[in-house]
Amino acid sequence: EVQLLESGGGLVQPGGSLRISCAASGFTFSSSVMSWVRQAPGKGLEWVSVISASGGNKYYADAVKGRFTISRDASKNTLYLQMSSLRVEDTAVYYCAKGDYDFWSGYGHWGQGTLVIVSS
Amino acid sequence: QSALTQPASVSGSPGQSITISCTGTSNDVGGYKYVSWYQQHPGKAPKLMIYDVNNRPSGVSSRFSGSKSGNTASLTISGLQAEDEADYFCSSYTSTTARVVFGGGTKLTVL
Repeated sequence: EVQLLESGGGLVQPGGSLRISCAASGFTFSSSVMSWVRQAPGKGLEWVSVISASGGNKYYADAVKGRFTISRDASKNTLYLQMSSLRVEDTAVYYCAKGDYDFWSGYGHWGQGTLVIVSS
Repeated sequence: QSALTQPASVSGSPGQSITISCTGTSNDVGGYKYVSWYQQHPGKAPKLMIYDVNNRPSGVSSRFSGSKSGNTASLTISGLQAEDEADYFCSSYTSTTARVVFGGGTKLTVL
């Protein structure tokens, strides 16, 4: 069974940094496209970033480009999102998602999310 | 403002069929097969219902179907059930920025 377990969320001040993680199990992590999608409280879904199976290709939403870095560690079956220069508008539940089809196709498996609150 | 346009809400009675639209441009919905639909119940993670315009993941009911015409994609739910009441989001690849964009979401109410 595919399982994705996010962790590392919490309260951080504007301008601060935070790294969130997603522990994967139940599938071949090193062969899977992985992504981060966020959802601000009471709002819709917003795509954040995607990383290829090898880690060699990474793409970011304009809203986070230059501030967020997606990475993966195949030895730990873990996906990361390093977030810096955080802004109030980055407050959201961050979901880890697994790509099950083509690189830009839909995400068939999601974690339960981790809440990041950016506030002074 | 979301890149893809969805109606804010739709409603239907049990047993009826409803369709949710998702309008984009030739740079996203109209130009690529990478249109997906997600269902989200309150407090839960999204669930993939349709990928690549009209494909259902294993385990998704055949009551859910997807289609596309020009720059507008559609999700149709037939034989509405109370459990279908949820928020629905469409997404698409966009060549404008080589990214994924979501619609603003549609709240489905089963009367």
